[in-house]
Amino acid sequence: QQPVQSPQAVILREGEDAVINCSSSKALYSVHWYRQKHGEAPVFLMILLKGGEQKGHEKISASFNEKKQQSSLYLTASQLSYSGTYFCGTGGTSYGKLTFGQGTILTVHP
Amino acid sequence: GAVVSQHPSRVICKSGTSVKIECRSLDFQATTMFWYRQFPKQSLMLMATSNEGSKATYEQGVEKDKFLINHASLTLSTLTVTSAHPEDSSFYICSAGGGQGVGEQYFGPGTRLTVT
Repeated sequence: QQPVQSPQAVILREGEDAVINCSSSKALYSVHWYRQKHGEAPVFLMILLKGGEQKGHEKISASFNEKKQQSSLYLTASQLSYSGTYFCGTGGTSYGKLTFGQGTILTVHP
Repeated sequence: GAVVSQHPSRVICKSGTSVKIECRSLDFQATTMFWYRQFPKQSLMLMATSNEGSKATYEQGVEKDKFLINHASLTLSTLTVTSAHPEDSSFYICSAGGGQGVGEQYFGPGTRLTVT
C-alpha cells in the first residue's frame, strides 16, 4: 500500500524552512527519501532504519517514528537547488523493494 | 554514492517493435535490481524485481511476457518491452541496491520511451 505524503506541494522563498511528512498504514523497516528534478532520475538523500533514528546532513534532516509509522523530512534555510519533487519510499526489509509515496512538489523562489 | 547507468536515455520506436533497455551498476555488484515506471507528474511504480541468476519477480498487474527481464550478471539487468504500443510510452527507471551502504537504492538516469 502506497505511503501518503503531505503536503502535496509547498512554495517557499529562499531561506525558509519546510517539513514533508510520510505516513504508512503498514509496519516499516526503513524509510528512504529521494529528490527528483524534472526529467531526471531520483537522487538518494537518506535512509532511516527501524529504531527511531534521526539523520541529517547540512540543512536536510529526517526523523523516523516507527510506532507511528511516520517519517518527516526537514529542510532548513532552503536554497533554490532544493526545488524538485520529494518522494519517500517505504520498505519492509533491508535491500527489499520500496513503495513510493505520491510525491511532494517543493518550489523555492528567490 | 554508487553509480548506476542506463542505456539508451531516449528511444523512439514504432508500434509492434521491441525495445531493450540496459541497466548497469558501474562500481558495485548488485544481486538485486528494480525496474520502475513513471508517468508524467506521478510516482514511481515498481514493475519487477530483477534477481541475478534467477527469474524476475513481477508486481501484480505487470505482464511478464510483455516486459521481459534478464539479470545475466551482477552488474547488468535488461528490460525488453516486447510488441510495444503507444500506451507503453513512459519513463523507465532502474535502481540497484547494495553498494557501500545498507539498504540504499541508487537510481539510473532513466530511459524515456516513446512508441509511435
